[in-house]
Amino acid sequence: GDSVTQMEGPVTLSEEAFLTINCTYTATGYPSLFWYVQYPGEGLQLLLKATKADDKGSNKGFEATYRKETTSFHLEKGSVQVSDSAVYFCALSGGGGSNYKLTFGKGTLLTVNP
Amino acid sequence: EAGVVQSPRYKIIEKKQPVAFWCNPISGHNTLYWYRQNLGQGPELLIRYENEEAVDDSQLPKDRFSAERLKGVDSTLKIQPAELGDSAVYLCASSLDGSQGRYTFGSGTRLTVV
Repeated sequence: GDSVTQMEGPVTLSEEAFLTINCTYTATGYPSLFWYVQYPGEGLQLLLKATKADDKGSNKGFEATYRKETTSFHLEKGSVQVSDSAVYFCALSGGGGSNYKLTFGKGTLLTVNP
Repeated sequence: EAGVVQSPRYKIIEKKQPVAFWCNPISGHNTLYWYRQNLGQGPELLIRYENEEAVDDSQLPKDRFSAERLKGVDSTLKIQPAELGDSAVYLCASSLDGSQGRYTFGSGTRLTVV
């Protein structure tokens, strides 16, 4: 079945540092890929998405490129802020599973220190 | 617009007791989901509704879990009887078109079974 693997956390960075959170997936067909973010005490929010190979999703300074050849969707940000501290989830839908079902990775806790 | 509202935020019960969670989705969102998030894991789908019809309940442990969505709006998820392993965060989400992965999640109900 479909699965998502994220880099283990927690990740601790200083403000203005470069961020990469690795995400790889296993799926048949052509899934859509997502990054969700969960700020403390809040629900998950869609951060960005990409629906086909080589698409780049971007939002709030975060970017991720759908790489079919490496089955990856790594999240990057050039300069993190304290307000970026949250748990980040990579997810997919479609592929071999239902288009209506999100399959999530385990999440990566990011802490940004001033 | 108001987000997805869940209640209660926290619940502590003894094992073998019943418990119920309530979800009010965003107005006009026909698709409603219940996910369970175990500690340190990503959310996993329990059940999906299209209006009042449960169209995917394959991951719902039907011996003790039940759900309903009367009139295709609010939904309740019930566990009876609860077991220690049911301790988790129960998330409700809704969407206009789930196939795009653009869900709105509630803040969740954190259940602790003692």
